[in-house]
Amino acid sequence: GNSVTQMEGPVTLSEEAFLTINCTYTATGYPSLFWYVQYPGEGLQLLLKATKADDKGSNKGFEATYRKETTSFHLEKGSVQVSDSAVYFCALVNFGNEKLTFGTGTRLTIIP
Amino acid sequence: DGGITQSPKYLFRKEGQNVTLSCEQNLNHDAMYWYRQDPGQGLRLIYYSQIVNDFQKGDIAEGYSVSREKKESFPLTVTSAQKNPTAFYLCASSLSLADNTDTQYFGPGTRLTVL
Repeated sequence: GNSVTQMEGPVTLSEEAFLTINCTYTATGYPSLFWYVQYPGEGLQLLLKATKADDKGSNKGFEATYRKETTSFHLEKGSVQVSDSAVYFCALVNFGNEKLTFGTGTRLTIIP
Repeated sequence: DGGITQSPKYLFRKEGQNVTLSCEQNLNHDAMYWYRQDPGQGLRLIYYSQIVNDFQKGDIAEGYSVSREKKESFPLTVTSAQKNPTAFYLCASSLSLADNTDTQYFGPGTRLTVL
């Protein structure tokens, strides 16, 4: 079946530090990959997505590249801000499976 | 202003009671979903619906029921048979289930607490 493994949290960084949150997946075929962000007390918001190998999703300074050879979709940002503090979820949808499979989430805290 | 609304934001229930969580979308999406979120875990799928008057069980459907009488509405009932209902419940929608590139859009969630 499908599964997503995310970097264990929590992660604490100083403002302007470089961020990487690792995500690897197991799936047959060619899934679409997503990063969602959840701010305290809120629902999930789509951060970025990639639908085929070597695609790069980007939004708000965040980037992730769909690497089929390593089955990875790591999230990166060059300079984080306090407002980036949130929980980040990696997820996939596989064709014919009709549902998102989520990782367990990584809580990120940015300190000034 | 399109989006997904969920109500109420906070809900308290006594043991043995059924409660219904509301989810409405004005995005003209065909597919709708209900997820449950527990601390330290990813989201788990309860039910999903591809079209009006049709829905399927997800991974943890026991103790829950849904209906899809209108395209824009997908209410979730948490029954007394659900043994551990205290959780954060999220509703989502997408254009269709047929395309795995479609994005699911989420509502703000309802936090249910059983007293």
